[in-house]
Amino acid sequence: DAKTTQPPSMDCAEGRAANLPCNHSTISGNEYVYWYRQIHSQGPQYIIHGLKNNETNEMASLIITEDRKSSTLILPHATLRDTAVYYCIVRLRGTGGYNKLIFGAGTRLAVHP
Amino acid sequence: ETGVTQTPRHLVMGMTNKKSLKCEQHLGHNAMYWYKQSAKKPLELMFVYNFKEQTENNSVPSRFSPECPNSSHLFLHLHTLQPEDSALYLCASSPSEWSGGASDTQYFGPGTRLTVL
Repeated sequence: DAKTTQPPSMDCAEGRAANLPCNHSTISGNEYVYWYRQIHSQGPQYIIHGLKNNETNEMASLIITEDRKSSTLILPHATLRDTAVYYCIVRLRGTGGYNKLIFGAGTRLAVHP
Repeated sequence: ETGVTQTPRHLVMGMTNKKSLKCEQHLGHNAMYWYKQSAKKPLELMFVYNFKEQTENNSVPSRFSPECPNSSHLFLHLHTLQPEDSALYLCASSPSEWSGGASDTQYFGPGTRLTVL
């Protein structure tokens, strides 16, 4: 299993960019990097995913290094509602063709006014 | 937004009670999942159903009994639970075809907050 390493917590000022790092040095060539977040006592919410190219959607941008050993999730203009635990996950394939997510401790992002 | 609903949202039960958690997804997915999240711990995968067949049981005690009557519904039957089983129980669903794209994304419900007295 590819494991990920994230800082336990980060702070960000409202309106500024939040850059959340993730190390996944044992990732294999066909494994995707997924990012989810979990606002307090709610179910995790999908944010973005990528294989080797940088990706952007309406929520965030994902920058993956060329060697794929690390990535950064960027929230370009953080708001108070972005306060949550952010999980970086390397997705594994389940035996039945479904995806399998192994959640770590994540990064607790606090956005301050 | 989520397309996955869970009932009840909160449940308090005694150790001798029998209760059931329900999950329903309206996304046309064929894989459904139960996760447990205890206080200050990462999510733990409990069970996986793919096309109504259980494909994973991560050493979950038998006092938790899942049931998947069809691809849209998933139940978790609870009996003789212990106080340490108190947690947030999350259901998720996803397509079961491996495509490597966004269609493999898991969508989570809001969870059931369970308290065992």
